[in-house]
Amino acid sequence: DVKVTQSSRYLVKRTGEKVFLECVQDMDHENMFWYRQDPGLGLRLIYFSYDVKMKEKGDIPEGYSVSREKKERFSLILESASTNQTSMYLCASSQWYEQFFGPGTRLTVL
Amino acid sequence: DAKTTQPPSMDCAEGRAANLPCNHSTISGNEYVYWYRQIHSQGPQYIIHGLKNNETNEMASLIITEDRKSSTLILPHATLRDTAVYYCIVRVGGFGNEKLTFGTGTRLTIIP
Repeated sequence: DVKVTQSSRYLVKRTGEKVFLECVQDMDHENMFWYRQDPGLGLRLIYFSYDVKMKEKGDIPEGYSVSREKKERFSLILESASTNQTSMYLCASSQWYEQFFGPGTRLTVL
Repeated sequence: DAKTTQPPSMDCAEGRAANLPCNHSTISGNEYVYWYRQIHSQGPQYIIHGLKNNETNEMASLIITEDRKSSTLILPHATLRDTAVYYCIVRVGGFGNEKLTFGTGTRLTIIP
């Protein structure tokens, strides 16, 4: 069974902290994605990666960075967390037409 | 990628067919129509996609109008587990174009 896992389901951090959200897929997929989901706004793409060490900005990259050192792992980094980054964060991977999503991490920044 | 328009919410009786419409009047010739759904507290799940022809799989059927300006996702015998937000997405296909733009979708509620 294909799997995308995310390091935490729930996370609480303080303003100004550096936050790492980890995503791992076991399907040997080339492409990986980070989204955030907020009520009334749907899913919005933050960053994506087509290959190891490659990254592309999505629609809302400000305040975020990413790292892809290995094919199976894609990390989202909040350099200095702010309250407006409180959200549900979803990771996905794909090889062709279908994206497989992880269960999400609900991040609260106080 | 073309923009899509979906009703914000719909109800359907359990056991009946659920028909979810999507308008994509600005779709271009090389853009596919995709459907995903998101059950509460889970990540989105792929359902089906198509270009011109109608498509069917074990989950649903996709009917695309001849002019391709709209489509309908059909869940033939809705169950309570089909209660979810359904997203209609249009994007260019092919390798290197896997990026999806999700809208706010249709919240489908299956009524017992």
